[in-house]
Amino acid sequence: AQKITQTQPGMFVQEKEAVTLDCTYDTSDPSYGLFWYKQPSSGEMIFLIYQGSYDQQNATEGRYSLNFQKARKSANLVISASQLGDSAMYFCAMREGILTGGGNKLTFGTGTQLKVEL
Amino acid sequence: EPEVTQTPSHQVTQMGQEVILRCVPISNHLYFYWYRQILGQKVEFLVSFYNNEISEKSEIFDDQFSVERPDGSNFTLKIRSTKLEDSAMYFCASSEDHPYSNQPQHFGDGTRLSIL
Repeated sequence: AQKITQTQPGMFVQEKEAVTLDCTYDTSDPSYGLFWYKQPSSGEMIFLIYQGSYDQQNATEGRYSLNFQKARKSANLVISASQLGDSAMYFCAMREGILTGGGNKLTFGTGTQLKVEL
Repeated sequence: EPEVTQTPSHQVTQMGQEVILRCVPISNHLYFYWYRQILGQKVEFLVSFYNNEISEKSEIFDDQFSVERPDGSNFTLKIRSTKLEDSAMYFCASSEDHPYSNQPQHFGDGTRLSIL
């Protein structure tokens, strides 16, 4: 089974609108972290936001917020007030075993290509 | 803001040749990583490195691959005898992780490796 699933290969959103990018995950580890990265066409990977499995509140970082639903194992990224510069590939990633020292590797999903239109 | 730097940005190599990809992690970071992304596919973990030794590696990281921290600043990935399927973007990342922390991994801009 895939550990990270991003079911939307491509999304379109109008400038200034909000958009939600879906991410579901699969783990039996009680301590894990979920990360979102942005990859513009130039190729670099930019860290956006983090959500820990034990965090009481949904993470927010400027225009980015995470809709974390632990029981449903989903960690959707919400981008508010979309800008043209938000057009990029977005990857959801997971790190397992955070509280048990279970390793540091990130497991990535297949990504969602977001296009912001005027 | 400090960043991870990778050189070269693009490397073209003949199949069978050795290649070394270089990275300078963020200076106070303790964990270093290599990932690769084959064109159009997801990012895959290769190896993590801590305290001058490999802490974890994937099944992709076979005997053809090696990592080294030759001095206090550089972190290198060597592919001994390149194959066509090694063509990919290779990302170096670093984090200030303690194993129990939640610090993000910061990625470099990547090296695009093309094997001919």
